[in-house]
Amino acid sequence: GAGVSQTPSNKVTEKGKYVELRCDPISGHTALYWYRQSLGQGPEFLIYFQGTGAADDSGLPNDRFFAVRPEGSVSTLKIQRTERGDSAVYLCASSRGGRGTQYFGPGTRLLVL
Amino acid sequence: GENVEQHPSTLSVQEGDSAVIKCTYSDSASNYFPWYKQELGKGPQLIIDIRSNVGEKKDQRIAVTLNKTAKHFSLHITETQPEDSAVYFCAGGNEKLTFGTGTRLTIIP
Repeated sequence: GAGVSQTPSNKVTEKGKYVELRCDPISGHTALYWYRQSLGQGPEFLIYFQGTGAADDSGLPNDRFFAVRPEGSVSTLKIQRTERGDSAVYLCASSRGGRGTQYFGPGTRLLVL
Repeated sequence: GENVEQHPSTLSVQEGDSAVIKCTYSDSASNYFPWYKQELGKGPQLIIDIRSNVGEKKDQRIAVTLNKTAKHFSLHITETQPEDSAVYFCAGGNEKLTFGTGTRLTIIP
């Protein structure tokens, strides 16, 4: 079956703009995770969904970041008033359950000019 | 929260030799320790994982060991091949994973 997919693969935006990043998890996976990876670093946890609800959003850096998963499948990460420091690769992962093996997508490379 | 440290940051190994990467973690509540391989421009790919009720796991040329008392775990790759060259990340946690800073492994033909 298909793996985790993310769109767009690349996004260039200007400081102050709003962006949306989309994640399609593996079919049947109830848990979905967002991570952010800066150059030369390991992924950093942002938020974790179990079904439609955010079970843990402790990694969101500030209130400019928000994520939704309204039907328990596709998720959208939303970033308002983007800053240059938001430039990174945003990774999505999914698993069968909350403590299942996490499979990652290819990521969205966000560049804020 | 959890803190995961990974060593070494770079590792060069002759083809056919073994490579070992080590990680330590801080939170005794962590029960899940996956290892990911990441190639340039791609997302992390799971290569092996271990849960806290197991001390060792092996899958062909790859093995992982876990010492819960000492809070450390290691990745062992035997008979290394050029295609093993990549960045490897360890991670620890439960639902939320904390990643190490990565090891750039280079296999010298």
